[in-house]
Amino acid sequence: QLQLQESGPGLVKPSETLSLTCTVSGDSISRSTYYWGWIRQPPGKGLEWIGSIYYNGNTFYNPSLKTRVTLSVDTSKNQFSLTLSSVTAADTAVYYCARNYCGTTTCYTEYFQHWGQGTLVTVSS
Amino acid sequence: EIILKQSPATLSLSPGESATLSCRASQSVSSDLAWYQQKPGQAPRLLIYDASNRATGIPARFSGSGSGTDFTLTISSLEPEDFAVYYCQQRTNWPLTFGGGTKVEIK
Repeated sequence: QLQLQESGPGLVKPSETLSLTCTVSGDSISRSTYYWGWIRQPPGKGLEWIGSIYYNGNTFYNPSLKTRVTLSVDTSKNQFSLTLSSVTAADTAVYYCARNYCGTTTCYTEYFQHWGQGTLVTVSS
Repeated sequence: EIILKQSPATLSLSPGESATLSCRASQSVSSDLAWYQQKPGQAPRLLIYDASNRATGIPARFSGSGSGTDFTLTISSLEPEDFAVYYCQQRTNWPLTFGGGTKVEIK
């Protein structure tokens, strides 16, 4: 059974870099039909897509964060990662990693079916 | 960026009643729209994709309709576990965007 687990510091200081890793178990991160994403949710607010990365390393970023975000994949560890630089209090949120939806015969790249439990990252000095 | 506006913000209903949630896009998203359910402290759960297709394992009481700019999620007979927040999401254009959510609460 596919599982995703976010890991990383729960507290980051303003102006520093937030780094999170999503460890995938139960399947290979390298399958060509899989597409991995990061979504965040400030406390009490809605969902914001941060960016997505394909198995081959192709990336897509939210323009609102593009200058500060980098996504990467480590196939040897079955992990993908998020770094967000120059953080402020506005970056305080629960960060989710997710994988796209695959039905019985087709995979759909930009819909997210499998999610990690989420990890709260607080930006504060 | 495509803006998704959900209405109403809150829907107060009783178990057994039917719920109708709306999602309106700032420009056409064709049928490239999904619906998610989120309960407190949990990750979102994909319910509907491509506007009207139920994801694997989703009960038949959940149905989606619409195309272009106007979409509806209908829950035919609310079960106690259906009280949650619901989000729509479009994938027509980058960036992927979500609506602000509709909370379905127990009346």
